Amino acid sequence: QEQVVESGGGVVQPGRSLRLSCAASGFTFSSYAMHWVRQAPGKGLEWLAVIPYDGSNTYYGDSVKGRFTISRDNSKNTLYLQMNGLRPEDTAVYYCAKVAVAGTLHWGMDVWGQGTTVTVSS
Amino acid sequence: DIQMTQSPSSLSASVGDRVTITCRASQDISTYLAWYQHRPGKVPKLLIYAASALQSGVPSRFRGSGSGTGFTLTISSLQPEDVATYYCQRYNTAPWTFGQGTKVEI
Repeated sequence: QEQVVESGGGVVQPGRSLRLSCAASGFTFSSYAMHWVRQAPGKGLEWLAVIPYDGSNTYYGDSVKGRFTISRDNSKNTLYLQMNGLRPEDTAVYYCAKVAVAGTLHWGMDVWGQGTTVTVSS
Repeated sequence: DIQMTQSPSSLSASVGDRVTITCRASQDISTYLAWYQHRPGKVPKLLIYAASALQSGVPSRFRGSGSGTGFTLTISSLQPEDVATYYCQRYNTAPWTFGQGTKVEI
């Protein structure tokens, strides 16, 4: 079945970098846009970034613009989130999610991973 | 940026009750709206897309409506497994903003 699995979370000091990965299986990864979404402790869902199926463009939320970079390797069926300049307020569970319809950015997200936890602390 | 505002932030209802959650966009988003259910300890689940279309496998007691700036998620008969936080999200343009969530308890 369609599945995405995040990895790469951990404890990191403020100002340092971390790269998250999201491995996809069970669907044609190269046909679908992908998102990153996070949930800080006790907070709601926060949308972070999206990349279209071909990686031709990227879009970011204001809180991570200029610090985080979303990318994908369709040959490896893998989505990435490069996080630089991490701050304590970036502490959260990070989810990757697949857009439900091929070829478009403008749809809901139907497949979510279990999330990977990032803790930014000295 | 277009803001998404949900109300109420939380509610408590009984099994079998009709529950209504409202989501308001600060600008017209047509029907580019999704609703998600996030149960404790689970991953978010897509319930509704295009404001009113039921995602495959979602029980028919969930109904979405609205367009433009005003949207509603209705649970026609609340079940114990519906205890969750519900989020609306717009997806017309960047950023793909979520509402702040509505926590539903029994």
